[in-house]
Amino acid sequence: DTGVSQDPRHKITKRGQNVTFRCDPISEHNRLYWYRQTLGQGPEFLTYFQNEAQLEKSRLLSDRFSAERPKGSFSTLEIQRTEQGDSAMYLCASSLQSGLGTYTQYFGPGTRLTVL
Amino acid sequence: TQLLEQSPQFLSIQEGENLTVYCNSSSVFSSLQWYRQEPGEGPVLLVTVVTGGEVKKLKRLTFQFGDARKDSSLHITAAQPGDTGLYLCAFRLNSGYSTLTFGKGTMLLVSP
Repeated sequence: DTGVSQDPRHKITKRGQNVTFRCDPISEHNRLYWYRQTLGQGPEFLTYFQNEAQLEKSRLLSDRFSAERPKGSFSTLEIQRTEQGDSAMYLCASSLQSGLGTYTQYFGPGTRLTVL
Repeated sequence: TQLLEQSPQFLSIQEGENLTVYCNSSSVFSSLQWYRQEPGEGPVLLVTVVTGGEVKKLKRLTFQFGDARKDSSLHITAAQPGDTGLYLCAFRLNSGYSTLTFGKGTMLLVSP
């Protein structure tokens, strides 16, 4: 399967702990996105990369959140000092951007985070 | 401010019934996308509509983009249990903008 993969699929942690999630995009996709989805809501944009450059960050991305894509391939999203309000599904998506126009974002299965 | 309003929020029907879900906004969109998300999975793109008044069909699913490009509808004919899922509409601010803004979705449950 050459789709977007995310690891782990589920994470349970205690408040105050740090967690890190990994996303492997579709090979050759130059853009990678992170979204957060809480129960009863649609996905909300957090940040995105073009290759290794982080081009945009949402105001939702507090100082406790950091994302990296060091070699322009996989990405990690770290949450420090987790809070119960961080409990959500964290979705990764990737796309191949070539010029302007409509292009498809392919989503991974998500990492479900539960903060106790 | 909710840029995209989806209705209804939840819909429970029997197999074989028809249904329509809506995505509305006061803003004009360059394009609008519909996704389906199954429990425990990420959203999967169903269709992109670009032109005002456009109608696209995907098997039993019919998508329409409003003439003013402010609203869209999804009609499902003869719903099947496999249609169960969260139906999300999403837009980009303009064709060169990368990130998607999603509505809250309509949760559809089709019972056998």
